[in-house]
Amino acid sequence: GDSVTQMEGPVTLSEEAFLTINCTYTATGYPSLFWYVQYPGEGLQLLLKATKADDKGSNKGFEATYRKETTSFHLEKGSVQVSDSAVYFCATGNEKLTFGTGTRLTIIP
Amino acid sequence: EAGVTQFPSHSVIEKGQTVTLRCDPISGHDNLYWYRRVMGKEIKFLLHFVKESKQDESGMPNNRFLAERTGGTYSTLKVQPAELEDSGVYFCASSQPGGRTIYFGEGSWLTVV
Repeated sequence: GDSVTQMEGPVTLSEEAFLTINCTYTATGYPSLFWYVQYPGEGLQLLLKATKADDKGSNKGFEATYRKETTSFHLEKGSVQVSDSAVYFCATGNEKLTFGTGTRLTIIP
Repeated sequence: EAGVTQFPSHSVIEKGQTVTLRCDPISGHDNLYWYRRVMGKEIKFLLHFVKESKQDESGMPNNRFLAERTGGTYSTLKVQPAELEDSGVYFCASSQPGGRTIYFGEGSWLTVV
């Protein structure tokens, strides 16, 4: 079955630092790839997605590129803010999603 | 447009009791999913409805869990009897027919004591 391996946390960064959260996947066929975010006390929100190889998803300054050759979908942001503190989940699938374990990110001022 | 709504948002019950979680998907979304995250582990798929039919229930952990979607609108997930290991957050999600984006609700946080 499908699987997602996600960089383990927790990750703590200073404000304005560069962020990378690694994500690799195994899947059959041509699944879509997603990053979901869960802010403290809230539900899961779709952050960005990519539906085919070489697609780049972007939102709120975050980016991730669907790399089929390396089966990766790493999340990046050039300058993080305190408000980015949350748990980030990488996921793959079409009808049914397979999630990584989540990475807790804390940004300190 | 309203998003996926779930009720209750938080529930604390004793072991052996019954809890029913409700999910209202986004209007027009035929696909409805239940997922859960227990003990800080990964979010896991439970089941998938297409309208009122169960398309895939391979993730349901055991027969203490019963999901229904009568009329193809809202869905309920009943846990009976609840066990300690059922504690976690239960997410409902929905998507359009053929849609590639799945939208999640805020989750129902269940604590079994």
